Amino acid sequence: DSGVTQTPKHLITATGQRVTLRCSPRSGDLSVYWYQQSLDQGLQFLIQYYNGEERAKGNILERFSAQQFPDLHSELNLSSLELGDSALYFCASSPEPDRIRYFGPGTRLTVT
Amino acid sequence: SQELEQSPQSLIVQEGKNLTINCTSSKTLYGLYWYKQKYGEGLIFLMMLQKGGEEKSHEKITAKLDEKKQQSSLHITASQPSHAGIYLCGADRNTGNQFYFGTGTSLTVIP
Repeated sequence: DSGVTQTPKHLITATGQRVTLRCSPRSGDLSVYWYQQSLDQGLQFLIQYYNGEERAKGNILERFSAQQFPDLHSELNLSSLELGDSALYFCASSPEPDRIRYFGPGTRLTVT
Repeated sequence: SQELEQSPQSLIVQEGKNLTINCTSSKTLYGLYWYKQKYGEGLIFLMMLQKGGEEKSHEKITAKLDEKKQQSSLHITASQPSHAGIYLCGADRNTGNQFYFGTGTSLTVIP
């Protein structure tokens, strides 16, 4: 158990819908990262937050957004969902940026 | 093309055999991480290497970093079914605070 929690574990929704994925980092970790893992794209970095501020952006679509709250938990919002958004979404945390990232168990999103 | 290429892409070994997985970077490495993922589950941190020539071991897994070759290798001695999974190397980019993963190596250990 890495100490990073993600909810929900599974999510099934229809195209065009909007969903929110939640992540609670390890106690004391200030950095949160979001990744998307799909069969054809592998593990792709989406976005990073540090102590509430956006720190780095990767291959995140404009339909996706994220934020980190004062209690350091983070949410990833996915809107206007498409079939191709079906994937595993992972959250990771680290005490500081660019240190060892500890991953949560992931949220499996299925868009039908 | 991928910045971090892993080889082989997949590996099937008999229990008890040794094996090596390689991770080669097309850019300068600023820290190399190894993770293991059970299918459909989260990533488990194995080891981090930061200096050229550095070697670390955890139980029967040893990782080395060759900074000049921009390459890291992960060696498993006397493999067991519990070693099965996907092994991913990851590295920091020197700018943009981004972290990226390799292509992954799928390991199957036959009892």
